[in-house]
Amino acid sequence: AQTVTQSQPEMSVQEAETVTLSCTYDTSESDYYLFWYKQPPSRQMILVIRQEAYKQQNATENRFSVNFQKAAKSFSLKISDSQLGDAAMYFCAHQGGSEKLVFGKGTKLTVNP
Amino acid sequence: DTGVSQNPRHKITKRGQNVTFRCDPISEHNRLYWYRQTLGQGPEFLTYFQNEAQLEKSRLLSDRFSAERPKGSFSTLEIQRTEQGDSAMYLCASSLGRGGTDTQYFGPGTRLTVL
Repeated sequence: AQTVTQSQPEMSVQEAETVTLSCTYDTSESDYYLFWYKQPPSRQMILVIRQEAYKQQNATENRFSVNFQKAAKSFSLKISDSQLGDAAMYFCAHQGGSEKLVFGKGTKLTVNP
Repeated sequence: DTGVSQNPRHKITKRGQNVTFRCDPISEHNRLYWYRQTLGQGPEFLTYFQNEAQLEKSRLLSDRFSAERPKGSFSTLEIQRTEQGDSAMYLCASSLGRGGTDTQYFGPGTRLTVL
């Protein structure tokens, strides 16, 4: 069974600085997808970025980028130029042959002005 | 495209009562998923539909839970004889289901409180 581990329950960053959130996963599948979702307080979960495991190039979306290390089964999220609106719970998720998403427990990100 | 919608947004019920939640997916999305999220945890998969067919159910989905998607459009999740342990946020998501990176888009959730 797939598992996803986020070892940082909470992180904080100063506005305009860069922060990296960690995620490791365990899977026996060779073809899968990885995602980072953001869940602001009392608001719905939204997709931040996604990565196909067969692609070696790391995905980027504006200020968000990932460091995908397939052999190490690591998938970290880097947020550059942090903004107050980035404050949220961030969830790492894995999707394999079964269509379901398997989530980590999340990292609460605080952005300090 | 108005996104995934869920109703009600909040539900408070007494232990032993039945509750039903509704999810309306993004139009033209063939797949619909239900997840449950408890405080301080990531969402956990419950079940999913491809059109009207329920293709996978988690062991978390006890006999008291039933989900339907009768015409391949909206879905309902019913919990019978609710227990305090059922208190959680119930999330619905939908995706195109046509291959490739099948990204799931989430609704705002229904927060259930069982007294």
